[in-house]
Amino acid sequence: EVQLVESGGGLIQPGGSLRLSCAASGFTFSSYTMRWVRQAPGKGLECVAGISGSGGSTYYADSVKGRFSVSRDNSKNTLFLQMNSLRAEDTAIYYCVKAGAGFYMAVWGKGTTVTVSS
Amino acid sequence: EIVMTQSPATLSVSPGERATLSCRASQSVSSNLAWYQQKPGQAPRVLIYDASTRATDVPARFSGSGSGTEFTLTISSLQSEDFAVYYCQQCSNWPLTFGGGTKVEIK
Repeated sequence: EVQLVESGGGLIQPGGSLRLSCAASGFTFSSYTMRWVRQAPGKGLECVAGISGSGGSTYYADSVKGRFSVSRDNSKNTLFLQMNSLRAEDTAIYYCVKAGAGFYMAVWGKGTTVTVSS
Repeated sequence: EIVMTQSPATLSVSPGERATLSCRASQSVSSNLAWYQQKPGQAPRVLIYDASTRATDVPARFSGSGSGTEFTLTISSLQSEDFAVYYCQQCSNWPLTFGGGTKVEIK
């Protein structure tokens, strides 16, 4: 069974940094593009970052470009999201997502909550 | 950026009735369109990808159609567990973008 388990969320002050992790199991992790999708309270979905299976290609939404960095450790089946210069508008549930063949979101983790507030 | 627009925002339907949800893309995405269902307090789950292919374990009452810029998700006979928010997502170009969602509620 495919499982994605996020961790690292919490309450952080504006301007601070957090590192999210996603532990993957049940599939050949290095073969799949992975993404981070967030959902602000009561709002819709936003894909903020993606990374190819090898880690050689990364993608970012304009809203986080230059502040967030996605990476992966294929030896440990783990995906990361380094978030710097956090703003109130980054407050959201952050989901780790395994990509399907193509660009759709095939499997979602349960999410980890990030709250940016003073 | 491709903008995805869903309508209606809220759809009130009685159990057993048919529900039709619409999604429009600001430019052609060919058949690169997915639909997701999200229930309160849960992560989304994929229902349909490639515009009309049902994901694993998705009941046959869910069907998707369309191509280019106009897409439809149809739920043929609503069950109690189908009341949720539904999102479309274009899978054609980065940044990958979602529609604003349609909430299907009990009439």
